[in-house]
Amino acid sequence: GNSVTQMEGPVTLSEEAFLTINCTYTATGYPSLFWYVQYPGEGLQLLLKATKADDKGSNKGFEATYRKETTSFHLEKGSVQVSDSAVYFCALSGSGGSNYKLTFGKGTLLTVNP
Amino acid sequence: DGGITQSPKYLFRKEGQNVTLSCEQNLNHDAMYWYRQDPGQGLRLIYYSQIVNDFQKGDIAEGYSVSREKKESFPLTVTSAQKNPTAFYLCASSSDIQETQYFGPGTRLLVL
Repeated sequence: GNSVTQMEGPVTLSEEAFLTINCTYTATGYPSLFWYVQYPGEGLQLLLKATKADDKGSNKGFEATYRKETTSFHLEKGSVQVSDSAVYFCALSGSGGSNYKLTFGKGTLLTVNP
Repeated sequence: DGGITQSPKYLFRKEGQNVTLSCEQNLNHDAMYWYRQDPGQGLRLIYYSQIVNDFQKGDIAEGYSVSREKKESFPLTVTSAQKNPTAFYLCASSSDIQETQYFGPGTRLLVL
């Protein structure tokens, strides 16, 4: 079945540092890939997505590129802010008949210190 | 404002009690979903509904029930058969079953 593996946290950075959160996946067919962000005590917000190989999703300075050859969708940001502190989830949607189903990684807690 | 609302924010359940979590959306989405989140875990799908008057079990449906009588509403009942109900419950919706899912703010369920 489908699965998502993302780097374990917690990740602690200083403000303006470079961020990478690794995400790799196992899936059949051609899934869509997502990054969601969860701020403390809140629901998930869609951060960015990519629907086909070599697509780059971007939002709020975050980027991730759908790499089919390495089955990866790593999240990057060039300069993090304190307000980026949150839990980040990588997810994929199934393809074909199960494309409704989101499979999530376990989440990576990011703390950014001033 | 368009969005997904969940209520209450916190809910307490006594032993043997059924409780119902509310989820409402005004996005005119056809599909709605319920997920459960446990500490340090990703989300797991409980139930989903592609359209009004239709719903299907997800990966962990035992001890839960749902209804979809109106397009904008998808309430989840946690029954007494769910032996470990303490978790954060998230509702989501999408314009149709193949489109991107958007999430509500969640309800935290605690057992007294």
